[in-house]
Amino acid sequence: SQELEQSPQSLIVQEGKNLTINCTSSKTLYGLYWYKQKYGEGLIFLMMLQKGGEEKSHEKITAKLDEKKQQSSLHITASQPSHAGIYLCGADTMDSNYQLIWGAGTKLIIKP
Amino acid sequence: EAGVAQSPRYKIIEKRQSVAFWCNPISGHATLYWYQQILGQGPKLLIQFQNNGVVDDSQLPKDRFSAERLKGVDSTLKIQPAKLEDSAVYLCASSKGTTNTGELFFGEGSRLTVL
Repeated sequence: SQELEQSPQSLIVQEGKNLTINCTSSKTLYGLYWYKQKYGEGLIFLMMLQKGGEEKSHEKITAKLDEKKQQSSLHITASQPSHAGIYLCGADTMDSNYQLIWGAGTKLIIKP
Repeated sequence: EAGVAQSPRYKIIEKRQSVAFWCNPISGHATLYWYQQILGQGPKLLIQFQNNGVVDDSQLPKDRFSAERLKGVDSTLKIQPAKLEDSAVYLCASSKGTTNTGELFFGEGSRLTVL
């Protein structure tokens, strides 16, 4: 099974609505990274979380790392067409030997 | 500041042929990564260089894949001979530091289709 599980796999949201994507680890997280990927393009860094309970924002995107450091949620407020893409979480964990492991991604479609 | 450059963007080959991908990281970035991303999956690390030395190549299929970063700047990833399951996007990334913590800067990727 995947060490880093993302849910949902895909999401269709009406423009202007809020949404949440989750990333759950089977191991304690040392660092959790959120990236965004548009089709045919590379990954763009959004934010990094390291401390339990930490919350960061980037424009209308907010991500939080839970206190136990095994799950992160990414929340988009008032979604816009520009938010469409694939959101990937990456993490280094107590077992990953300083390498990033990645979730499979959540594909977000924004309906106008 | 120029981003990570990769070429070619697209490549279609037949199985058993060879292919090479090139990556030029952001100037001054010590660490360079090659990832393989199969459709619907997250990136899988193939090899990590720190300057011109290999840090991790544990997931590189060494019977057919090779990579080099001779002068500690740009890098080439080669596949010879290619198999159908090598169809994927090959992503190059670089980072300032010498560890995996922190921001990675990705190129746009090289999409390989093996027929």
